[in-house]
Amino acid sequence: NAGVTQTPKFRILKIGQSMTLQCAQDMNHNYMYWYRQDPGMGLKLIYYSVGAGITDKGEVPNGYNVSRSTTEDFPLRLELAAPSQTSVYFCASSYSPASGVYNEQFFGPGTRLTVL
Amino acid sequence: AQSVTQPDIHITVSEGASLELRCNYSYGATPYLFWYVQSPGQGLQLLLKYFSGDTLVQGIKGFEAEFKRSQSSFNLRKPSVHWSDAAEYFCAVGAAGANNLFFGTGTRLTVIP
Repeated sequence: NAGVTQTPKFRILKIGQSMTLQCAQDMNHNYMYWYRQDPGMGLKLIYYSVGAGITDKGEVPNGYNVSRSTTEDFPLRLELAAPSQTSVYFCASSYSPASGVYNEQFFGPGTRLTVL
Repeated sequence: AQSVTQPDIHITVSEGASLELRCNYSYGATPYLFWYVQSPGQGLQLLLKYFSGDTLVQGIKGFEAEFKRSQSSFNLRKPSVHWSDAAEYFCAVGAAGANNLFFGTGTRLTVIP
């Protein structure tokens, strides 16, 4: 299993540009997450999904959009890039059965985004 | 409100010395607790987790952590640190039925020869 994969690894954007960060997992996990990590800070949740077709906002959703058309993929869209979105972005996935038992999240290697 | 506090931003230890990284949490429900490690330029790797049962949990790479409900703490320990343990360590808390983890701000560990 590849686990959680993210592309690209690095990207530089100009202010106002848009881009999509890709995330895929091959573990058949139902939950997927997007976090951002700013220097000296912990991870903050941007969006999450509990299954295909279902997404919801996390702690810091402004400026981002997501979709979940398949179990495997969970892309994150930046429509109008701003310097405040300079960060490292991590995708994660986990499996939570219907009974609500919590399981650990598995993380991808991250995408380092700079907006100039 | 949920929160996780890691009071030590940066710790330096000598190789072979013991290590304890502190983590305090605030969570209304029964917490699920995690320690993750992040090496430079890498993603997060799970070291260990506590869901229930024995409050002393063993993890990978010789790490252990102890859940103390009365102190709302989940400190990470290792009896003898190796140079390869130099990394950033994150404590996180979640709960049954919750949809995300809350992370501390991390503790950077430096290991000196």
